[in-house]
Amino acid sequence: SAVISQKPSRDICQRGTSLTIQCQVDSQVTMMFWYRQQPGQSLTLIATANQGSEATYESGFVIDKFPISRPNLTFSTLTVSNMSPEDSSIYLCSVYGRGGVTDTQYFGPGTRLTVL
Amino acid sequence: AQSVAQPEDQVNVAEGNPLTVKCTYSVSGNPYLFWYVQYPNRGLQFLLKYITGDNLVKGSYGFEAEFNKSQTSFHLKKPSALVSDSALYFCAVRDMSQAGTALIFGKGTTLSVSS
Repeated sequence: SAVISQKPSRDICQRGTSLTIQCQVDSQVTMMFWYRQQPGQSLTLIATANQGSEATYESGFVIDKFPISRPNLTFSTLTVSNMSPEDSSIYLCSVYGRGGVTDTQYFGPGTRLTVL
Repeated sequence: AQSVAQPEDQVNVAEGNPLTVKCTYSVSGNPYLFWYVQYPNRGLQFLLKYITGDNLVKGSYGFEAEFNKSQTSFHLKKPSALVSDSALYFCAVRDMSQAGTALIFGKGTTLSVSS
């Protein structure tokens, strides 16, 4: 299984500012994703982080609000831009490895974001 | 489009009794099905998955799940519940025909085991 770390683990931010969340995996992985879990809710897929190219966003999420980078097979960042209180959520990085589509998808510990 | 339904927001069971957490799915192709557990203030932990083969899948912590293609269900079960099983459980699906796609999650079911 992959070991995933995220930084920061939590943050409290002011409205209108931006926060960049880092995701580091201990081995090379094929697929990396970013999810959002709003308070008391399920996980919603934000985007697929593609190595060396633009991320693929799900309906309702746009690059200007959630820019994503993935410079290599072990690292990705998600930025939450121009934050509002509605962005208060847990943001989770998730990966699956070289086993392909049947592979288990693993999750990082999450970044708990509170926007005031 | 793929989707997952967990019809129960909460399941209550007494310690030592069997538990079932329900999940139904919808995909255009064949499904890969997963169960995860989330403890308070902790990340998602993988419990088990169904890819192919035997319809009864065994996973971590004594949990098992039964795949039923005709009913499009993948219910999570445990013969004897523990208080420590109390947590939030998520069912998730990936469409086998769509390589490179992420899991889609149900809304989650809170399991409460009383002593």
